[in-house]
Amino acid sequence: GESVGLHLPTLSVQEGDNSIINCAYSNSASDYFIWYKQESGKGPQFIIDIRSNMDKRQGQRVTVLLNKTVKHLSLQIAATQPGDSAVYFCAENMARDTGRRALTFGSGTRLQVQP
Amino acid sequence: NAGVTQTPKFRVLKTGQSMTLLCAQDMNHEYMYWYRQDPGMGLRLIHYSVGEGTTAKGEVPDGYNVSRLKKQNFLLGLESAAPSQTSVYFCASSTSGTGRQPQHFGDGTRLSIL
Repeated sequence: GESVGLHLPTLSVQEGDNSIINCAYSNSASDYFIWYKQESGKGPQFIIDIRSNMDKRQGQRVTVLLNKTVKHLSLQIAATQPGDSAVYFCAENMARDTGRRALTFGSGTRLQVQP
Repeated sequence: NAGVTQTPKFRVLKTGQSMTLLCAQDMNHEYMYWYRQDPGMGLRLIHYSVGEGTTAKGEVPDGYNVSRLKKQNFLLGLESAAPSQTSVYFCASSTSGTGRQPQHFGDGTRLSIL
């Protein structure tokens, strides 16, 4: 079946650099995407979302880019800080057999920030 | 504003024992969800609720039951725990079930079945 996937399981960056975490999706009918951050021992924390009628959305130090042509989603973190070290998940709202949409989560990318 | 609160945070059970995980949210959200998270895997939906008194099956419902007697609470039950149910369980809630609103998560319950 169609699912959300991630290109890199682990990403290591230097403090102060920009980070880019990628996500590929295969369900062209998905129209909403979310990025979550999960720190060790914590639940997923909402970072930013984007609807399919947008290509880019910015938050505080984060930007999400959506390329519907190649079904690709990315999360950019500017000036990465040690506190950004975590696992990052993308999720898409896939339509189920019932017709109801539900979030489907990727397996995550671990971001390691080196001091 | 506590958001989504899960109790207990940790639990160890023996095979065959039963237990109930409690989720409480104070955001007046209609929709609530139970997920499990296993190493190297994404979150998998167990059951969900679209409102008080309603429940529905998710992707991996076998071996679990749920109840939503009050809008703010969503209970996940294991009637006869099995080692395969060792996992981290997360509860989430959202304002709507259209799939176009973020879900807000608790910090999880770490459950080990011996």
